[in-house]
This record gives sequence, C-alpha cells and structure tokens, in this order.
Amino acid sequence: DAKTTQPPSMDCAEGRAANLPCNHSTISGNEYVYWYRQIHSQGPQYIIHGLKNNETNEMASLIITEDRKSSTLILPHATLRDTAVYYCIVRVPPSNRDDKIIFGKGTRLHILP
Amino acid sequence: EAGVTQFPSHSVIEKGQTVTLRCDPISGHDNLYWYRRVMGKEIKFLLHFVKESKQDESGMPNNRFLAERTGGTYSTLKVQPAELEDSGVYFCASSRGRSLSYNEQFFGPGTRLTVL
Repeated sequence: DAKTTQPPSMDCAEGRAANLPCNHSTISGNEYVYWYRQIHSQGPQYIIHGLKNNETNEMASLIITEDRKSSTLILPHATLRDTAVYYCIVRVPPSNRDDKIIFGKGTRLHILP
Repeated sequence: EAGVTQFPSHSVIEKGQTVTLRCDPISGHDNLYWYRRVMGKEIKFLLHFVKESKQDESGMPNNRFLAERTGGTYSTLKVQPAELEDSGVYFCASSRGRSLSYNEQFFGPGTRLTVL
C-alpha cells in the first residue's frame, strides 16, 4: 500500500502556482520523497525528489516540512500541459532491495484556462 | 538520448491468445521494470530486472506472465494465455543503477493491451 495521502483532485487557473499537498506521516529517516506525474496517454514522468531540504529544478519546487511528515509540490506557473495525475511517493534509497515504485491514487490536477 | 521505447503501442487480442510486449530501455541502464495499470486501478509494479537477472518479481500476477531480458538489453513480457482481466496499459521503465542516491526511473509510453 502507498505510504502517502493526497487529495483526489485539484483545480488551478492557468498561469497561477499549483500547490499539491502530500502527507507522509510514517516516513522513515532514510526514505526520500519523490514526485511523478502521468499525463494522459503517456508514461509516468519523474518530476523531483528530496530527503529533507527544499529542492527546485526546472519543472517544480518541493517543500518538505521540518518534521518530514508532509510536503508540497509547487508548479510555479501552471500551463494547460500540466494537467495530469500527480503522484507523491516515499522510497528507500536504491541500495535497499526494495526498488519498486508504489504509486497510490495520486492527485488529478486540472489546469483551467 | 533516446528514451524508453515500447512495442507495440496497442494490441487487441482475443481471450486465450498469446501476446508479447517488448521494452527497449535507455542504453546503459542496468535496471528495467515492468508495471501495469488495469482499468480504474492504480499503477502496479510487476517485476524488476538488474541486467539479465530478475531482482524482484513479487508483482507478477500469475504464471501466465513470463518476463525475460536475455543479454541484459531489451525485455519481453509474454502473456499466455491472455484473459479478460489482463487488459490494461503495461509500462516499462529503466534506471541507470544503484550507485546514485535517487535512482530516477524513466518510463516508456506504455502498451495498451485489450483482451476481448
């Protein structure tokens, strides 16, 4: 079972920041927070990951609370192409034998024109 | 750099027939994964290869599914005989290896399998 809790759906106006929350209250000290998304008819796409510090890349920012029990993915200027299902995932480092991704239900983000 | 490719993109077969899906990972990626999403359900892990060896096949639903990765390059997933509940989208992913802290998995576009 997924170790994260996400709202089933969210709307965001085009051009605005989309803030997607995720709860992972049982996260272990060595588990990373990953975000993937799946745009319709495509395979899942990696977005960003983090351990405890906030992270930013060309796609998004990841804000992790100090107690690491929740995080927020921020798409700073959402476009229609960001409409997708967003998955928040906690995973152990690859040195562990458990290497699979457990996707959960995710958040269906609708970007409104 | 070419991404993960999968063939065919769509397959429609009748119950009882055999279908073979192919995945070509990104060149140099030792890890190859199969996942699937059946209608209305979450994406589920099927199995994981490290080079040609099966590292984890805990997600394979039953013995009608056979995955191979001869030579540690491309992989095939054969379903024989196919059943109606096998319909769904089958994704393949690859990652470089375990020497990195994040082991990002790159996914292919998927094969949509329809069993009639």
